[in-house]
Amino acid sequence: GENVEQHPSTLSVQEGDSAVIKCTYSDSASNYFPWYKQELGKRPQLIIDIRSNVGEKKDQRIAVTLNKTAKHFSLHITETQPEDSAVYFCAAKEGTGKLIFGQGTTLQVKP
Amino acid sequence: GAGVSQSPRYKVAKRGQDVALRCDPISGHVSLFWYQQALGQGPEFLTYFQNEAQLDKSGLPSDRFFAERPEGSVSTLKIQRTQQEDSAVYLCASSLATGGRQPQHFGDGTRLSIL
Repeated sequence: GENVEQHPSTLSVQEGDSAVIKCTYSDSASNYFPWYKQELGKRPQLIIDIRSNVGEKKDQRIAVTLNKTAKHFSLHITETQPEDSAVYFCAAKEGTGKLIFGQGTTLQVKP
Repeated sequence: GAGVSQSPRYKVAKRGQDVALRCDPISGHVSLFWYQQALGQGPEFLTYFQNEAQLDKSGLPSDRFFAERPEGSVSTLKIQRTQQEDSAVYLCASSLATGGRQPQHFGDGTRLSIL
């Protein structure tokens, strides 16, 4: 089955700096890769996703890149703000549609 | 429109008791998923429904876990004879369609604590 590895587990940046979170997956058949933001005690919230037929997608300060050959994808957040502080999860869709999640990255943006 | 709704938000039960967790998906969403999230971990897949059919239950940890979606809308996750290791947040997600690459939208979850 699919396996997703996520790095780093924690990331601390200064406000205004960029943050990058990286994930690798094992199943070359996976074709959909969402990113979720989860604040403490709240639901995972979809922030961006990418399908396997594109290499990059951008939405304001957030971008995701996908390298199918290397089986890795990354989340890029530019001009970070304190409200970006949260746990971020990458995921890969497997088979019937279930998501296999990475272990999560705790992002801290220092004012 | 309304998002995915789960109830109760918090549930405390004694070891050995049975519990039932409810999920109301977004109206019209065909696919419904249950995940278990342990503290500090990513969600882990439990089971998947397409309408009323349970197509994948490979993630259910034991036969004490049972899920149903009899009318293809509301779903219930039942845990029998609860044990301490069942303590976790149980998340429900729904998506518009199966197949393809439809986004999954999550509810706030039920935080289950087994004493």
